[in-house]
Amino acid sequence: AQSVTQLDSQVPVFEEAPVELRCNYSSSVSVYLFWYVQYPNQGLQLLLKYLSGSTLVKGINGFEAEFNKSQTSFHLRKPSVHISDTAEYFCAVSERNRDDKIIFGKGTRLHILP
Amino acid sequence: DAGVTQSPTHLIKTRGQQVTLRCSPKSGHDTVSWYQQALGQGPQFIFQYYEEEERQRGNFPDRFSGHQFPNYSSELNVNALWLGDSALYLCASSVAGNHEQYFGPGTRLTVT
Repeated sequence: AQSVTQLDSQVPVFEEAPVELRCNYSSSVSVYLFWYVQYPNQGLQLLLKYLSGSTLVKGINGFEAEFNKSQTSFHLRKPSVHISDTAEYFCAVSERNRDDKIIFGKGTRLHILP
Repeated sequence: DAGVTQSPTHLIKTRGQQVTLRCSPKSGHDTVSWYQQALGQGPQFIFQYYEEEERQRGNFPDRFSGHQFPNYSSELNVNALWLGDSALYLCASSVAGNHEQYFGPGTRLTVT
């Protein structure tokens, strides 16, 4: 079985500052890794995904994430945040090579300070 | 190209009642998954439908049931509603053999 731990429930950061949202996962099998964003009163939008290959993955809206197999981490980063990045961010995993359910973390609320 | 659509947007029900939520997948998608997102939590997998059959199920009681139609759209039914069933219900669609799921905007269910 897989599990996802998002280490911070809330992250406040000043506008134009860099941010890192932390994610660790646990799995006995190989997984795909995802970051989703949820804006207030909306569904989930895929930010980026790691399937294979380069461990540095670039996504939409200037976000990127790095897969670290030895530390079983998939931290999300952005060099300069904007007020429009205010949202809930979810790290997620699914079992590789299966049309499988997605297991989500509890989410990290990114709060941009003016 | 319309994405995943869900109806209704909001719903208020009383304890003990039954509810049906609907989902239309993204064009070209044949697999539908349902998730429950309680307030302040991440989405939890309920079940997945493919070829009109339930293919996987999460840790949810039998009060939660579903259906997939020949046009790939899907329904989620919840019987004997509890207060704890209040949540955002998300539908996601995908293509069989492809891991990537696309989510709809959700249905907000409130049980009073």
